[in-house]
Amino acid sequence: AQSVTQPDIHITVSEGASLELRCNYSYGATPYLFWYVQSPGQGLQLLLKYFSGDTLVQGIKGFEAEFKRSQSSFNLRKPSVHWSDAAEYFCAVGAIQAGTALIFGKGTTLSVSS
Amino acid sequence: GAVVSQHPSRVICKSGTSVKIECRSLDFQATTMFWYRQFPKQSLMLMATSNEGSKATYEQGVEKDKFLINHASLTLSTLTVTSAHPEDSSFYICSASDDRDSIYTFGSGTRLTVV
Repeated sequence: AQSVTQPDIHITVSEGASLELRCNYSYGATPYLFWYVQSPGQGLQLLLKYFSGDTLVQGIKGFEAEFKRSQSSFNLRKPSVHWSDAAEYFCAVGAIQAGTALIFGKGTTLSVSS
Repeated sequence: GAVVSQHPSRVICKSGTSVKIECRSLDFQATTMFWYRQFPKQSLMLMATSNEGSKATYEQGVEKDKFLINHASLTLSTLTVTSAHPEDSSFYICSASDDRDSIYTFGSGTRLTVV
């Protein structure tokens, strides 16, 4: 079955500390992988995506993610977290086939402490 | 970049009435549009997929007669919640794809409250 697992429901990090949000996927075809961020009551903003090529992907707001096929993982990282990064983060997987909907993980809530 | 406009952002309606939510792609042709529903503190659940000019494909458990989806043009899709009930209160988000680049752009969402 196709699925996305985000093992951590809620993470709290100190401002300035590093961050890693985990994402594992199960997909029958070559996956497209995405990370989105959502602020309360808002839509989703794309942080980064992986289609092919370099497995380390750079995104907006200083985020990066690394695709590891052997581990079926696509973990999101940021070296130094800012208070404004507090939000909900969703990992998603989609197919290369056009017109296929994304499958989302349950999300990880990030809190940033001062 | 690709922009998707979703309106209204917030709507309150009485039980038994219908509500229409619009999703527009502003600077690209959205061959496929997706409608999601999000409950508080939960993930996005796909409701249906619509392709321009054809009937929407609904996910299992989603009532197609209650959630009417129209995708009449390459830039507009609408979701109509018919005979709304309090249990339909939720956050609805659309997503548009141009298929060519596999870019999925999301609207800002609609908070529906049925009283």
